[in-house]
Amino acid sequence: TQLLEQSPQFLSIQEGENLTVYCNSSSVFSSLQWYRQEPGEGPVLLVTVVTGGEVKKLKRLTFQFGDARKDSSLHITAAQTGDTGLYLCAGDGSSNTGKLIFGQGTTLQVKP
Amino acid sequence: DTGVSQDPRHKITKRGQNVTFRCDPISEHNRLYWYRQTLGQGPEFLTYFQNEAQLEKSRLLSDRFSAERPKGSFSTLEIQRTEQGDSAMYLCASSLTGRYGYTFGSGTRLTVV
Repeated sequence: TQLLEQSPQFLSIQEGENLTVYCNSSSVFSSLQWYRQEPGEGPVLLVTVVTGGEVKKLKRLTFQFGDARKDSSLHITAAQTGDTGLYLCAGDGSSNTGKLIFGQGTTLQVKP
Repeated sequence: DTGVSQDPRHKITKRGQNVTFRCDPISEHNRLYWYRQTLGQGPEFLTYFQNEAQLEKSRLLSDRFSAERPKGSFSTLEIQRTEQGDSAMYLCASSLTGRYGYTFGSGTRLTVV
């Protein structure tokens, strides 16, 4: 069974601080995606990484896919209150169906 | 393109009643997925359609659950004889290939009382 472990589960920081969220597995994934979810809404796709070692930047967010395609990280620089939400990583273990395995999520609270 | 629509947004039902949820995917997307999410957890896969064919079902999907996607367009998820453990957010998502990410709907929050 493929599992994705996210850490930390909860993070409460002050505006302007940096943070990193980790997503780890013992399984190899053909791609890995990061989503952000607000209360009462569906997840919104932030990025997809497909190549081992790949780094993608989205404004203040930096995403990295591990060389072995088993882990990923999300780094936020100078967090803002608008970054508050649930961050989910999701791995695509099957290149055919697109079925995703989700981590349990990291709840981020950025305080002003 | 209006995104993925789900209806209703909220449903409160008594235990033992049947409920049906609807999902309208992005029109060009041939893949449609249903997930279930409980509080504090990530979404869990329920089932997947490619066009009108239901190609995979999770073991989470007991025989009280059934999903359809007639003509490869909208999809419905029905839960018969609801139980309190069915209380969750039911999320629908669509994609072209699946590999490069989904577009999720806003979900249907089901509360069984």
